Amino acid sequence: GESVGLHLPTLSVQEGDNSIINCAYSNSASDYFIWYKQESGKGPQFIIDIRSNMDKRQGQRVTVLLNKTVKHLSLQIAATQPGDSAVYFCAENMAGGFKTIFGAGTRLFVKA
Amino acid sequence: EPEVTQTPSHQVTQMGQEVILRCVPISNHLYFYWYRQILGQKVEFLVSFYNNEISEKSEIFDDQFSVERPDGSNFTLKIRSTKLEDSAMYFCASSGGDGEKLFFGSGTQLSVL
Repeated sequence: GESVGLHLPTLSVQEGDNSIINCAYSNSASDYFIWYKQESGKGPQFIIDIRSNMDKRQGQRVTVLLNKTVKHLSLQIAATQPGDSAVYFCAENMAGGFKTIFGAGTRLFVKA
Repeated sequence: EPEVTQTPSHQVTQMGQEVILRCVPISNHLYFYWYRQILGQKVEFLVSFYNNEISEKSEIFDDQFSVERPDGSNFTLKIRSTKLEDSAMYFCASSGGDGEKLFFGSGTQLSVL
């Protein structure tokens, strides 16, 4: 079936360290993957995305890695800041599927 | 920057009552969605809407739910007879195309008593 899940429900990192948030997906037909950040009381906010024809994409302080062989997605945040504290969701979309399915979320705590 | 707006931010209703949640998607977007999130849980897909019809819906989106785009700017979710378990945060989202990133509103917190 189609599902997206996360390996760790919470992650605690020291300010300035790098963070890595992992995600496993099960639908091999998914071809578009997205990371969203959700702060308390707000809707999910787009961070970075990647299509299945790529295995790495970099943004400002964030990198997404896609391993289609093992159906694994990760989000790397460089030099994590207190403002990065939030819940991070990976999500997948299948072309023509008209829906984006979210994983369970990982809560990132950044210690000052 | 354009944004998705939702009203009201909070809605309290009695079980069995009808509620309408309202959304104004980003103006040049063509795809519209409703999601819900029960406190502390993941964001669940409800329905997608394109070209004035439902494109896809989840098992949650039963006969008690309906969506409508009554004019060129609003997108609504109606729950006909609310149940206690409908209590959740409801998010509206829009995108410029299928397979593109979603832009979410701030949500409507629905509490069914």
